Amino acid sequence: DAGVIQSPRHEVTEMGQEVTLRCKPISGHNSLFWYRQTMMRGLELLIYFNNNVPIDDSGMPEDRFSAKMPNASFSTLKIQPSEPRDSAVYFCASSPAVGPNTEAFFGQGTRLTVV
Amino acid sequence: DAKTTQPNSMESNEEEPVHLPCNHSTISGTDYIHWYRQLPSQGPEYVIHGLTSNVNNRMASLAIAEDRKSSTLILHRATLRDAAVYYCILRRNNDMRFGAGTRLTVKP
Repeated sequence: DAGVIQSPRHEVTEMGQEVTLRCKPISGHNSLFWYRQTMMRGLELLIYFNNNVPIDDSGMPEDRFSAKMPNASFSTLKIQPSEPRDSAVYFCASSPAVGPNTEAFFGQGTRLTVV
Repeated sequence: DAKTTQPNSMESNEEEPVHLPCNHSTISGTDYIHWYRQLPSQGPEYVIHGLTSNVNNRMASLAIAEDRKSSTLILHRATLRDAAVYYCILRRNNDMRFGAGTRLTVKP
């Protein structure tokens, strides 16, 4: 298995533009997580899905952020409009089962720079 | 959510065992104890997890105190590749929130 695949690996965009980050979880996995990592705030959980259904989006910073999971093989995290403070590494992770007794597998991340 | 407390940093010598502590005094009976690590410029990587009993796998061992208010991740023989930030996380449901972790430095 290729693992969790995130695209693009790097994104540079101008303030005000829309940014879409993509994630392909490991086939057969039932949970998907989106994280943001910065030096100041560390790894923050933004949102997670169980069986394609958003369960907890309390970590989404504001209305400019939205996440979707239209099917078990694909998820997107969209920022519209983007701001310089959104610059961070965004990670996607998936788990083979729902619940705390299972491990999560992370992608390599998308480094977003908003100028 | 129950919180964990870890030292900010630790040092180890190569080929020696490393014991990484984690305090979780407010742990509940259904919280699982998870450990992840993050190597430089990579995403976090699962290491090990457990509920009450000690656990072993090919990467490490997890020792859980009898009252479950603390745990220790044991790397039996540190290598330079083990230099990373190690995160101790409590999971009660499906979410998974990271703290600051312990930055492990391995000296040759």
